[in-house]
Order: sequence, then C-alpha cells, then structure tokens
Amino acid sequence: GAVVSQHPSWVICKSGTSVKIECRSLDFQATTMFWYRQFPKQSLMLMATSNEGSKATYEQGVEKDKFLINHASLTLSTLTVTSAHPEDSSFYICSARDGGANQPQHFGDGTRLSIL
Amino acid sequence: AQKVTQAQTEISVVEKEDVTLDCVYETRDTTYYLFWYKQPPSGELVFLIRRNSFDEQNEISGRYSWNFQKSTSSFNFTITASQVVDSAVYFCAVRGEGQNFVFGPGTRLSVLP
Repeated sequence: GAVVSQHPSWVICKSGTSVKIECRSLDFQATTMFWYRQFPKQSLMLMATSNEGSKATYEQGVEKDKFLINHASLTLSTLTVTSAHPEDSSFYICSARDGGANQPQHFGDGTRLSIL
Repeated sequence: AQKVTQAQTEISVVEKEDVTLDCVYETRDTTYYLFWYKQPPSGELVFLIRRNSFDEQNEISGRYSWNFQKSTSSFNFTITASQVVDSAVYFCAVRGEGQNFVFGPGTRLSVLP
C-alpha cells in the first residue's frame, strides 16, 4: 500500500531555533500534500495544503511566515517551523494524495515537536 | 460547512465487552466520504475504513463493524469482544467532494484487562 514517511519522528530543541520536518511519499506521486497539527488530547487540525510546484494554501489563523511549506517535488514536502517557541510544541502530521480530491489520502506517522 | 461530532469523549470498558463509538456528521455535499481512524499512544493514524455516501451497507471486518445511517447522519463503529490492544483514540472524519478532511474530536477508548 501507499506509504508516507515522515522524519524526524521526534525532535526537541531550544526556543528560537528553526525546525524542518520532511514528508515523503515512498511509492506514489503526491500531487497534493497536507500538514496537520494536533495538540494534546485534541483532534487534528489542518494547517495548510500544498500542490507540487505551487505555493501552499494556509488555513485561517495559521501564520505562513511562521510555518514555511515547500513542496518542490512530487515525493517531498517540508514544513519548517521558524523561530520555534514552546507554544509551537505539538504533534505534526503530514498527509499525501495522488490525484484528484476523491483519491485516498495517506498519513505519515507524525513528528512530535518539543520546544524547550 | 462540514462537521463531525463524537459525543463520547472517553469510554472505559472491560476486556471482552462490546463497545460502540458514535459519530454524527454534517455536510452539504451529496457525495461525501466517511472515515474512521485509530490513533494508538504511539501517535500514528491507522486507517480503519472509508465509506462513500452512496453505500449504506453495513460492514464487518473481524471484530469491527460499522453502521452507516444516512437518515440520521450517523456512522457508528462497534468493536466486539474488545481487547486491551484496542485502547486508543478513535477519530471519525468526513470529506465532501473536493473538500478537505474534517476530523471529529475523537473518542478515547480504554479497554481494561
């Protein structure tokens, strides 16, 4: 089946640093990728959607200058949390889809980000 | 607008009991998809089922079964003879045609030995 690999799975860093999370589709072309954020004991909230080669579309309330998304190829999208602060600590999950809106969407295993 | 309600925040059962997780959805689309995902403590989302709006047949997969009732906009999930390994957070989600996923708040299931 379709596999989405997310790296790293866990990262701890100091406040003020920037953190990059990678999301790769291993056996299919991800024309569209999604980034979600999940705070403890809460549901997944969509942050942004990106199509390969295009700028990401951010959901309301998500700072695009804070959360930089790059979807430069059909198999890789990156999320960079710039100047991370403790309130950015969360579980970040990427998802990828090959084709139109009604195609299956596959989820990565998530990245647990802890900012000290 | 799309919305998913999972009224049960937390459920505890004893092993071997049956348990039903409720899901009520809202969507304006006539074509839509419903999903259930399991999220164990390790965090990854485990896909359980996808059902489209035109298929109201109930489905059984091992100890899992799903009851789709379009008339009440419900897509309930039953685990028969629950096991400790079933302990997880379960999310119901809806996606209208051309829309993004909307997840429910989740139900935390604890199966006690």
